[in-house]
Amino acid sequence: GAVVSQHPSWVICKSGTSVKIECRSLDFQATTMFWYRQFPKQSLMLMATSNEGSKATYEQGVEKDKFLINHASLTLSTLTVTSAHPEDSSFYICSARDSEQGSYEQYFGPGTRLTVT
Amino acid sequence: KQEVTQIPAALSVPEGENLVLNCSFTDSAIYNLQWFRQDPGKGLTSLLLIQSSQREQTSGRLNASLDKSSGRSTLYIAASQPGDSATYLCAVEMDSSYKLIFGSGTRLLVRP
Repeated sequence: GAVVSQHPSWVICKSGTSVKIECRSLDFQATTMFWYRQFPKQSLMLMATSNEGSKATYEQGVEKDKFLINHASLTLSTLTVTSAHPEDSSFYICSARDSEQGSYEQYFGPGTRLTVT
Repeated sequence: KQEVTQIPAALSVPEGENLVLNCSFTDSAIYNLQWFRQDPGKGLTSLLLIQSSQREQTSGRLNASLDKSSGRSTLYIAASQPGDSATYLCAVEMDSSYKLIFGSGTRLLVRP
């Protein structure tokens, strides 16, 4: 089955620093990937749609200058949290859709837990 | 604006029981609906996907139904097992953009 990986699986950083999270589709190509965040005991909230070769589309209320998204290849999207603050601490999950299949399914990564101290 | 609600928020049942998880959505013009499972601290595993033209989907002990007109979906789990303990999320896709709107989930505990 289709596999999506994320790296790192967890990261702790100091307030004011930047953190990059990678999302990779391992055995399929994905022209579109999605980034979600999830607070404890809450559901997933879509942050942005990552499009290969073009700018990401951000959801209302998400600061695009703070959450930089780059989708430079058909198998990799990155999310950089710039000037991180404790309120950015969350579980970040990406998903990807197989561009070559007619399926509607999305495949989710295992998530990255970010803790900002 | 689409809102997805899941009831109950938490459920604890003894092993072997059949159970039903509920999902409701306010805008019936959905493209499809998916049920996911999430284990603590982990990502999501897709369980079932129901397209808007379908009424139900089955996979093993799981059966999901969709009533678009009333804005409801149910996930039926037969003969529950402790390994079924997880959070179950439903999500709707409104159009072909593949953007998903998630419910808040039902945390299920199946007691041995």
